Amino acid sequence: QSALTQPRSVSGSPGQSVTISCTGTSSDVGAHNSVSWYQQQPGKAPKLMIYDVTERPSGVPARFSGSKSGSTASLTISGLQAEDEADYHCCSYAGTHTRWVFGGGTKLTVL
Amino acid sequence: EVQLVESGGDLVQPGGSLRLSCAASGITVSRNYMSWVRQAPGKGLEWVSVLYSGGATEYADSVKGRFTISRDTSKNTVHLQMNSLRAEDTAVYYCARDCIDGRCYFDYWGQGTLVTVSS
Repeated sequence: QSALTQPRSVSGSPGQSVTISCTGTSSDVGAHNSVSWYQQQPGKAPKLMIYDVTERPSGVPARFSGSKSGSTASLTISGLQAEDEADYHCCSYAGTHTRWVFGGGTKLTVL
Repeated sequence: EVQLVESGGDLVQPGGSLRLSCAASGITVSRNYMSWVRQAPGKGLEWVSVLYSGGATEYADSVKGRFTISRDTSKNTVHLQMNSLRAEDTAVYYCARDCIDGRCYFDYWGQGTLVTVSS
């Protein structure tokens, strides 16, 4: 069982927007702004999409955005494209010893 | 260009040992925090261990006392020594850069190496 809770799956049609939630606790998501999101295509390594809750690395489309409210972080993908179909994982800093906790991953299907 | 290349994954019996390696290029492992993250088949990601630039280490409770992270600065490589392996350690193990200059997130990942623990 993962420390952070994500929906197992979400779906949307091309051009639509989808939001993936990531619920933690006051010890991880609620306590730190080191929340990141990773896209993982089948058989591939994860790819950083969002860091520090809202920041996008160079090369990541502006269609990807992140936010946080309390102990829940969210990833929103606007203007869905077929290539966005993948698994998405959230991650939060959780303190010195636990360090990082992840969600169980969400499978995004583009209809 | 940064590259992290893992090796060492294999099929091992329960109770056995394995040593994973992560060879880095484009970054100096001793100047970064380097982590191992694993993914069991069909499951989410799980942080395993970190090696801080200063040499200190941390481990997930699930591997504490069984796994040891280290580095070879001459080869710019990070290792994960895994002992007393269990079936639940079966996973793809990824090496990833964890922190640089106070910026903490996994921006570079290796391709992963598969560890299977089974009799």
